[in-house]
Amino acid sequence: RKEVEQDPGPFNVPEGATVAFNCTYSNSASQSFFWYRQDCRKEPKLLMSVYSSGNEDGRFTAQLNRASQYISLLIRDSKLSDSATYLCVGPANAGGTSYGKLTFGQGTILTVHP
Amino acid sequence: SAVISQKPSRDICQRGTSLTIQCQVDSQVTMMFWYRQQPGQSLTLIATANQGSEATYESGFVIDKFPISRPNLTFSTLTVSNMSPEDSSIYLCSVMGTGGVASNYGYTFGSGTRLTVV
Repeated sequence: RKEVEQDPGPFNVPEGATVAFNCTYSNSASQSFFWYRQDCRKEPKLLMSVYSSGNEDGRFTAQLNRASQYISLLIRDSKLSDSATYLCVGPANAGGTSYGKLTFGQGTILTVHP
Repeated sequence: SAVISQKPSRDICQRGTSLTIQCQVDSQVTMMFWYRQQPGQSLTLIATANQGSEATYESGFVIDKFPISRPNLTFSTLTVSNMSPEDSSIYLCSVMGTGGVASNYGYTFGSGTRLTVV
């Protein structure tokens, strides 16, 4: 099983819609996760950190469900500019030598249309 | 967060040649990471570069193919050696966010090097 798995989509939603992405992880000991946004031909950029039950920043809400081992990202009132690939990121599994290492989900493609 | 300058931004190279990618960080960082992102794929960690010691490579990546230098706390290079078309990819360097604790601050990435091998 992959360390971090997410639905690759694509998700196509109209402007103003609410969209949610889920991501599951395999290591129950993992403490913190991230959602990154990657625009076409650009580097990933940190969107949100999630290291407790959840985090909210404007239209974006990230939640962590430790019992079910999944992380979600909710985008409300979608904008055209939200179109991007969203990467779910968690800590690597392999013991002490994994300090600082992260493992990336395969990314979920979101397209917001007029 | 740290600012990373990565270059070249892109290159087209002949098979059998080598390309060295540079990353310069505007602050001192203990650990730097090199990733590869193949077309349509997510990021895969190549190696961790620590100053003063040899890089630590992930499974499937070897030093002869991807030699890494880390001469100081603000700079690192990754060389893609003896290139083949299968090496065509985006290569990215990254560092931990402010505070040096990945669990709280995530990573900052360089802008990437888009490599095409012909």
